[in-house]
Amino acid sequence: AQSVTQLGSHVSVSEGALVLLRCNYSSSVPPYLFWYVQYPNQGLQLLLKYTSAATLVKGINGFEAEFKKSETSFHLTKPSAHMSDAAEYFCAVKRPGGYNKLIFGAGTRLAVHP
Amino acid sequence: DTGVSQDPRHKITKRGQNVTFRCDPISEHNRLYWYRQTLGQGPEFLTYFQNEAQLEKSRLLSDRFSAERPKGSFSTLEIQRTEQGDSAMYLCASVPTQMDTEAFFGQGTRLTVV
Repeated sequence: AQSVTQLGSHVSVSEGALVLLRCNYSSSVPPYLFWYVQYPNQGLQLLLKYTSAATLVKGINGFEAEFKKSETSFHLTKPSAHMSDAAEYFCAVKRPGGYNKLIFGAGTRLAVHP
Repeated sequence: DTGVSQDPRHKITKRGQNVTFRCDPISEHNRLYWYRQTLGQGPEFLTYFQNEAQLEKSRLLSDRFSAERPKGSFSTLEIQRTEQGDSAMYLCASVPTQMDTEAFFGQGTRLTVV
């Protein structure tokens, strides 16, 4: 079975500060991992994905994440927050090689204040 | 627009009524997924189609729920005898033939049962 835990349902940062959103996963097989962003009343947009290539993955809008197998983590970071980053962020895991059912975490709402 | 399209975007219905949602995936994508997202939670898998075949249904999909993809193109999700607990965002996602690519999400249909 696979699962995702996102630590911190709400994170608040100042504009220009480091963004760190935490994601830990559980998987019986080496997983594929994803971060999606959701703006109010919108669908999900892919930020980045890990599919067993480089462990440091760069995504859109300046976000990146590092896959750490020993820590079963896939934390999302951005060096400098922008007001437009305020949104809900979801970490997701899937089993590689099978069909693409995603298992999502509960999400972290990021607030960015001036 | 060549993305995933969902209709309607919002639906308010009285308890006990039937509702139907439509999803038009990206045209060359043969895999289609329905997810349900309740307030403050991540999306949860409901069902999966490969072309016109419904290959998996979640236990979340009670017998009041039915989904179809008659010609392997658009899909419909019907909820009969709606209950207040059905209030949620219903998300559709499509995936191309390759197994390990990301899912592309529509903007969702927000259902409110009053």
